[in-house]
Amino acid sequence: KNQVEQSPQSLIILEGKNCTLQCNYTVSPFSNLRWYKQDTGRGPVSLTIMTFSENTKSNGRYTATLDADTKQSSLHITASQLSDSASYICVVSPGAAGNKLTFGGGTRVLVKP
Amino acid sequence: DVKVTQSSRYLVKRTGEKVFLECVQDMDHENMFWYRQDPGLGLRLIYFSYDVKMKEKGDIPEGYSVSREKKERFSLILESASTNQTSMYLCASSLVPITSQGRETQYFGPGTRLLVL
Repeated sequence: KNQVEQSPQSLIILEGKNCTLQCNYTVSPFSNLRWYKQDTGRGPVSLTIMTFSENTKSNGRYTATLDADTKQSSLHITASQLSDSASYICVVSPGAAGNKLTFGGGTRVLVKP
Repeated sequence: DVKVTQSSRYLVKRTGEKVFLECVQDMDHENMFWYRQDPGLGLRLIYFSYDVKMKEKGDIPEGYSVSREKKERFSLILESASTNQTSMYLCASSLVPITSQGRETQYFGPGTRLLVL
């Protein structure tokens, strides 16, 4: 069964600090991996998309990495800001399944002043 | 900017009621999706549509139906709402299918939080 597991489920960090979120997947065959940010009460917004041949992708203070061999991805947030408080969702495309993506449960990040 | 709107942010219904959730996108996207999001479970695909009047079941279609009469509008219908359908419902659209080689992004609406009593 295709699965995407994220850790930790939640974390609290101080403003200005860095943090790293983890995503492990068992989706096969693997095609690409996305990270989304979801603010409370809003829909998810895409941060990065990486294909299997890419191992890093940045979007401002967000940097995603991908190791397709170990089936792991991480999202690193640099110099966190209060506006980074949100849920971060890892999403994997199984390729052959077309429109069906596999979503992780998300990591809830709270940035405190 | 792509805009996906959903008819209601919050909805309270009684068990057995028929419920309509409406979603509209303004970017002429071919593909539209309905998900539900529950704590700890991630988003789960209910139905999707890749063209007008076309629909396909997602992973959890039971208890739901959909309608796509116009390209910009995708409706989710709960024929007889039950308490286990209390959830956050998210609509999304994409220009092309989320294919194996693509970088296509799904654009999400703000969600409808449905409570079934």
